[in-house]
Amino acid sequence: AQSVTQLGSHVSVSEGALVLLRCNYSSSVPPYLFWYVQYPNQGLQLLLKYTSAATLVKGINGFEAEFKKSETSFHLTKPSAHMSDAAEYFCAVSDFSGWAAGNKLTFGGGTRVLVKP
Amino acid sequence: NAGVTQTPKFQVLKTGQSMTLQCAQDMNHNSMYWYRQDPGMGLRLIYYSASEGTTDKGEVPNGYNVSRLNKREFSLRLESAAPSQTSVYFCASSGHRGRLDEQYFGPGTRLTVT
Repeated sequence: AQSVTQLGSHVSVSEGALVLLRCNYSSSVPPYLFWYVQYPNQGLQLLLKYTSAATLVKGINGFEAEFKKSETSFHLTKPSAHMSDAAEYFCAVSDFSGWAAGNKLTFGGGTRVLVKP
Repeated sequence: NAGVTQTPKFQVLKTGQSMTLQCAQDMNHNSMYWYRQDPGMGLRLIYYSASEGTTDKGEVPNGYNVSRLNKREFSLRLESAAPSQTSVYFCASSGHRGRLDEQYFGPGTRLTVT
């Protein structure tokens, strides 16, 4: 069974500082990994995804993530935090079971980011 | 395109009551999913439908049933609501069966069972 662990349920950063959100996964097959963002009272929106191409993946809003197989990690970073980055962030791994099945996701517990002025 | 829509947005039920959560997508997606979101637990898959005419259990199916009414619509039914089913419910869809398309999420239904 796949699993995702996000270290830190809450992260506080100052505006302009580095944002680093940690994600570690376990998977019995080559993983496909996603980061989603959830703004208050909204659904989830895709930030970026890794599907075995480049290990450094760039997403929307200046975010990027690096896939490290040896560390089973897919940490999310943004060089300079903006007030609009305050949200909850979810890492997810795909249970891609082939042509006959859907693309089920297993999510981490989420990390809520607070940005201080 | 409206994307993924869900009704209702909010609902309060008494223990033992039943209700159906509705979900529709207008992106011609094959696969649809129901998740529940609880604090600190992320999203957990309740049921999914890989394609029209098929449904399968996810991680937490107990107490729920689903119907894939057609390609656009996927409903979630609570037959006898319990306080443990108080949660935020999200419907999602993804494009092509077998491809690693991302999932698109609806705005959610906030359900309280008293």
